[in-house]
Amino acid sequence: AQSVTQLGSHVSVSEGALVLLRCNYSSSVPPYLFWYVQYPNQGLQLLLKYTTGATLVKGINGFEAEFKKSETSFHLTKPSAHMSDAAEYFCAVSERYSSASKIIFGSGTRLSIRP
Amino acid sequence: NAGVTQTPKFQVLKTGQSMTLQCAQDMNHNSMYWYRQDPGMGLRLIYYSASEGTTDKGEVPNGYNVSRLNKREFSLRLESAAPSQTSVYFCASSEGVYSNQPQHFGDGTRLSIL
Repeated sequence: AQSVTQLGSHVSVSEGALVLLRCNYSSSVPPYLFWYVQYPNQGLQLLLKYTTGATLVKGINGFEAEFKKSETSFHLTKPSAHMSDAAEYFCAVSERYSSASKIIFGSGTRLSIRP
Repeated sequence: NAGVTQTPKFQVLKTGQSMTLQCAQDMNHNSMYWYRQDPGMGLRLIYYSASEGTTDKGEVPNGYNVSRLNKREFSLRLESAAPSQTSVYFCASSEGVYSNQPQHFGDGTRLSIL
């Protein structure tokens, strides 16, 4: 069975510092992987996704993530944090060639930005 | 550019009351979903509709019913609300039901059951 683990329910970084949000998955075959962002009192928005091809995926707002099969990881990074990045971030995994109803969301990481 | 619209945004119910949460999308998407979000638990799928005319159970369907009224609208009904159903409910849609397709979310309905 698939699963996804986000390490750290809360991450705090200074403005301008590197953002690193960790996501590890468990799957028998390489899955599809997603990062979503949720701003306060809003729904989730897609940041980026990996389905096939290049393992380094660039998303919106300067975020990127790298699919590492050997480490079963899909960590989210941004070189320089901005105050507007404060939000909750969800990693999600779904099995290839299956239904979107099978997508599994991680428990989320809340990102705080210190001035 | 509305996307996915959920009504109401907030609701307080007493135990045993019934209520219907409404969801509509204007993106001509085929598939729609209802999730609940609880602290520290991510999102859990309640029901989904792969296409107009079909509905299926998700991970946590007990205590809920759904109706896919047409291609645009997908409602979630609580027949007899219980305190355990206090949560934030999100409706989402996707172009199709394939697992590589991203979902588009509404802003949620915050529901409290007293």
